[in-house]
Amino acid sequence: DGGITQSPKYLFRKEGQNVTLSCEQNLNHDAMYWYRQDPGQGLRLIYYSQIVNDFQKGDIAEGYSVSREKKESFPLTVTSAQKNPTAFYLCASARGDTQYFGPGTRLTVL
Amino acid sequence: AQSVSQHNHHVILSEAASLELGCNYSYGGTVNLFWYVQYPGQHLQLLLKYFSGDPLVKGIKGFEAEFIKSKFSFNLRKPSVQWSDTAEYFCAVNARRGGGNKLTFGTGTQLKVEL
Repeated sequence: DGGITQSPKYLFRKEGQNVTLSCEQNLNHDAMYWYRQDPGQGLRLIYYSQIVNDFQKGDIAEGYSVSREKKESFPLTVTSAQKNPTAFYLCASARGDTQYFGPGTRLTVL
Repeated sequence: AQSVSQHNHHVILSEAASLELGCNYSYGGTVNLFWYVQYPGQHLQLLLKYFSGDPLVKGIKGFEAEFIKSKFSFNLRKPSVQWSDTAEYFCAVNARRGGGNKLTFGTGTQLKVEL
């Protein structure tokens, strides 16, 4: 079954803790992306990666970090430096200019 | 920097009514345009896209959108909505810049279709 998987679906963390969100794809796409979705604000780009071992900051990268050691995987770490981490996080991968999205992880920081 | 505006934040329609959701973008160069839909509890899905050619594009589930270059618009339409069209709709623009293929999204329109 091809697609993009994100785990877990729901994640709760205490303030001050780092947390890593998983994103895996078996579509053989080179490019992968992380977005944050907040009510009334649409989706905003956090980080993206065009190829393995390379990634660039998006529009709201502060307080986040990523790695791209494998083509299939693009984990996102939400660090304690992120001031407002509670949000819905979406991962995407792209074939050409078209992006396809995973089911998302809802992170709540208590 | 490019931006996308969706003027209708919440729309309520009765079944069989016609739908038009507005989308305007600001970018001086060549763009690719997309509409995505997020049904309750489901993935963000691609509805339709425009890259070039016929400015009237047809997507899934009876949706269509028209690219009007002079107005920087890409409005989404459906002649007759169904209850199952209740969802949030996002317009997005892609302009290649700096080696990245990045989407800029509008803030979304929440559509509720009543029986």
